[in-house]
Amino acid sequence: QVQLVQSGAEVKKPGASVKVSCKASGYTFTDYYMHWVRQAPGQGLEYMGWINPKNGGTNYVQNFQGRVTLSGDTSIATAYMELSSLRSDDTAVYYCAKDQGQWLPDYWGQGTLVTVSS
Amino acid sequence: QSALTQPASVSGSPGQSITISCTGTSSDVGYYNLVSWYQQHPGKAPKLMSYEGSKRPSGVSNRFSGSKSGNTASLTISGLQAEDEADYYCCSYAGSSTLVFGRGTKLTVL
Repeated sequence: QVQLVQSGAEVKKPGASVKVSCKASGYTFTDYYMHWVRQAPGQGLEYMGWINPKNGGTNYVQNFQGRVTLSGDTSIATAYMELSSLRSDDTAVYYCAKDQGQWLPDYWGQGTLVTVSS
Repeated sequence: QSALTQPASVSGSPGQSITISCTGTSSDVGYYNLVSWYQQHPGKAPKLMSYEGSKRPSGVSNRFSGSKSGNTASLTISGLQAEDEADYYCCSYAGSSTLVFGRGTKLTVL
C-alpha cells in the first residue's frame, strides 16, 4: 500500500532554514509527481509546488519562489522540501502528497510541524 | 492565484444531507474538470473523498458525491453521520502547472 512517511517536528529560529523529508513506499517513486502543501495553525491548506522525481523538474507558486527548494533522491525514494529565511508566519504543518497522475494529490504524508520562534 | 471560495461552516443533523460549495473562476474550476475534495479530521492529514467532479476513490462511501456546474463545484454528503464532522477542502487545477485550494468548510453534525 502507498505510504508517505515524513520527518519529525522541527523548531527553528527566524532566518534559519528547514528541510523536511518524505519517504515514499508502495509505488514507483519516479512515476508520479510529489506535491507540497502547508497548513498554518487553525488555517486552511496552502499549495506550495511540485517536483517530478523522474527528472527533478519543479514548479513553485509565486508566494514561495526564491525561498523554497524541492528535491528528491530516487535511490531512497525520498522527496525533500527546504524552506529558507524562515519567519514566524512559516509556522505550519507541511505535507507531502503524491499525485495520482492528473493534478490530483491522492495519498498524503502524516505532516511535519515546523515551528519558527526566537 | 486566489483561494477558491467555500462557506466557513455548514451543519446538519444525523441522516440529513448537506452540500458544500466551492466557487472559483473560469480559469480554474470552470475551465478544468479537475476538482477534488478532501476531508480532514483534527490533527490528521487530508483524505481524498471525490475527484474529477464526480468520481470517488475506492473505499470512500457512496454517501459522498461531487458535482460541478460552471465555476462552482459541490460536495454533497447524504445520510449524515457523526464521523462526517470534519473540515472539508476543495482543490482545483488552475493552469500553469499549479493547484489552488479552497479556504475550507467546517462541517458540524448536530
